[in-house]
Amino acid sequence: EVQLGESGGGLVQPGGSLRLSCVASGFTLSSYWMSWVRQAPGKRLEWVANIKQDESEKYYVDSVKGRFTISRDNAKNSLYLQMNNLRAEDTAVYYCVRDLAYFDCWGQGTPVTVSS
Amino acid sequence: DIVVTQSPDSLAVSLGERATINCKSSQSVLYSSNNKNYLAWYQQKPGQPPKLLIYWASTRESGVPDRISGSGSGTDFALTISGLQAEDGAVYYCQQYYTTPYTFGQGTKLEIK
Repeated sequence: EVQLGESGGGLVQPGGSLRLSCVASGFTLSSYWMSWVRQAPGKRLEWVANIKQDESEKYYVDSVKGRFTISRDNAKNSLYLQMNNLRAEDTAVYYCVRDLAYFDCWGQGTPVTVSS
Repeated sequence: DIVVTQSPDSLAVSLGERATINCKSSQSVLYSSNNKNYLAWYQQKPGQPPKLLIYWASTRESGVPDRISGSGSGTDFALTISGLQAEDGAVYYCQQYYTTPYTFGQGTKLEIK
């Protein structure tokens, strides 16, 4: 069964950092683009970033450019999101998703709260 | 960025009836070289991640019942759910993947009466 499992979320103060992780099972991560998508409370889904199979291409939504970094370790079947200089507006549930441009497989999400 | 707008924001439809949700993109998501519309639909129930229903505007994901269908081209799309069942109560989102940043509609909440 294809599964994605996120971890690393939590409560952090404004300006702080968090690193989210996602482990894939049931498929070979190295064969797919991968993305992070977030959902703030009561808000629409927002694509955050994606990464090509070999890390040669990475794309970000403007609001996180320069603050967030997406990466992967195909040997560990893992995807990461390093989030620095966090802001209140980054508060959301963060989903790891398999990226076929449309998103066919989603993790359960990990919540991130940015508050003092 | 491509802005995606859904209508209505919410609707209530009786069991067994048909519901239609509309989605409009601020620019065409039809790629002329392959004649494909880069639009997907998702269903999200409370406390759960979204679930892919439709991609390429009208292709059903494996396991999605055929009473759920997608239509449209260019900038105007629709998701139709026929023979509504209680389990169809959820929020539905459309998403364009024609270009990054990929963007979603604001969601439509479907209530089953």
